[in-house]
Amino acid sequence: AQKVTQAQTEISVVEKEDVTLDCVYETRDTTYYLFWYKQPPSGELVFLIRRNSFDEQNEISGRYSWNFQKSTSSFNFTITASQVVDSAVYFCALSEFRANSKLTFGKGITLSVRP
Amino acid sequence: SAVISQKPSRDICQRGTSLTIQCQVDSQVTMMFWYRQQPGQSLTLIATANQGSEATYESGFVIDKFPISRPNLTFSTLTVSNMSPEDSSIYLCSVERLVGETQYFGPGTRLLVL
Repeated sequence: AQKVTQAQTEISVVEKEDVTLDCVYETRDTTYYLFWYKQPPSGELVFLIRRNSFDEQNEISGRYSWNFQKSTSSFNFTITASQVVDSAVYFCALSEFRANSKLTFGKGITLSVRP
Repeated sequence: SAVISQKPSRDICQRGTSLTIQCQVDSQVTMMFWYRQQPGQSLTLIATANQGSEATYESGFVIDKFPISRPNLTFSTLTVSNMSPEDSSIYLCSVERLVGETQYFGPGTRLLVL
């Protein structure tokens, strides 16, 4: 069975601070996908990134970066120079590397960025 | 990514009644899914909506409580039947445009059952 653990439940930072959101996963599959989604207060779920298990290269997109470590089954997300608009719930998710595969979500991390 | 809309965006319902939620996509998609997010919780898959056949339900969810239709490749409905306060949640549909692609989510339907 697949499992995603986001041990941090709530994080509060001051604007311009860097913040890292942790994600640890469990799966018996050798190939799989990992995701991060953002859920702002409005409620919609916004896709941020998908990474397949073949690719352990770190990824950077503007102020966002992701660190995938297969050896420790972690897929951590760092926001650099945080902004108030980054305040949201962030979900890490996992799916099998096949068609019609459901997403298994972690419990989410509530990030509050204070001005 | 596809543009996904849901109706209604929110509703307040009385216990014992039923509500049908619609999910409309602006282009044909292969896969459509329905998720539930209970207050303060994560997302849980209810079922996969299959075009032209019965939906595939996850453990703990049954067709009598959550009937789903998918008449074509751009539209699906989820009905929450005989509602109780425990059904108060955000219900989200998601789509995969092509098999194996990323799932994108609709804006969600916030349901409060009194």
